[in-house]
Amino acid sequence: DSGVTQTPKHLITATGQRVTLRCSPRSGDLSVYWYQQSLDQGLQFLIQYYNGEERAKGNILERFSAQQFPDLHSELNLSSLELGDSALYFCASTPTGGDNYGYTFGSGTRLTVV
Amino acid sequence: GESVGLHLPTLSVQEGDNSIINCAYSNSASDYFIWYKQESGKGPQFIIDIRSNMDKRQGQRVTVLLNKTVKHLSLQIAATQPGDSAVYFCAETVSGYALNFGKGTSLLVTP
Repeated sequence: DSGVTQTPKHLITATGQRVTLRCSPRSGDLSVYWYQQSLDQGLQFLIQYYNGEERAKGNILERFSAQQFPDLHSELNLSSLELGDSALYFCASTPTGGDNYGYTFGSGTRLTVV
Repeated sequence: GESVGLHLPTLSVQEGDNSIINCAYSNSASDYFIWYKQESGKGPQFIIDIRSNMDKRQGQRVTVLLNKTVKHLSLQIAATQPGDSAVYFCAETVSGYALNFGKGTSLLVTP
């Protein structure tokens, strides 16, 4: 157990739908990163939050959004889902927003869009 | 754009042999590098890291070598075991920014 908790582990939904993925960072970590892993793209950085504030954006689609709550857990919202959104979604956490030491990943959520 | 890539998509080694996984990076500003291991159905697991002011770092059975001149990173696994079979990713970053991952190398250890 890495200390980073992601739920649900598996999600199957239809095209056009909206889903929410949840991540609880490791105790004491303030920063959360979201990544998408598909077969042909490897791990792609989506977005980072630090202590409730958006810190950096990567290749995140406009249909996707995220937030980090006061208790530091984060949610990734995916809307108007398309078949191509099927992937593994990982979150990672670090103690700070400016240092990548202790970068720890959760076990991921496998999203299947049918 | 800037990218991190791996030379070999798959690597097959015999149990007990040493394994070497290579990685090329193109962002000369990157100052921190990490190797991750990912087993099927699991998240990436930290193996070893190295900062740009070093050229070698050793862990338990693993060694990372960094050659900044040619922007090359390698992971050496000594006495490879069946449990080492997994996909290995290198990742690089400029301090304070998100990691940029390569596509991964699949390591298969045969008995």
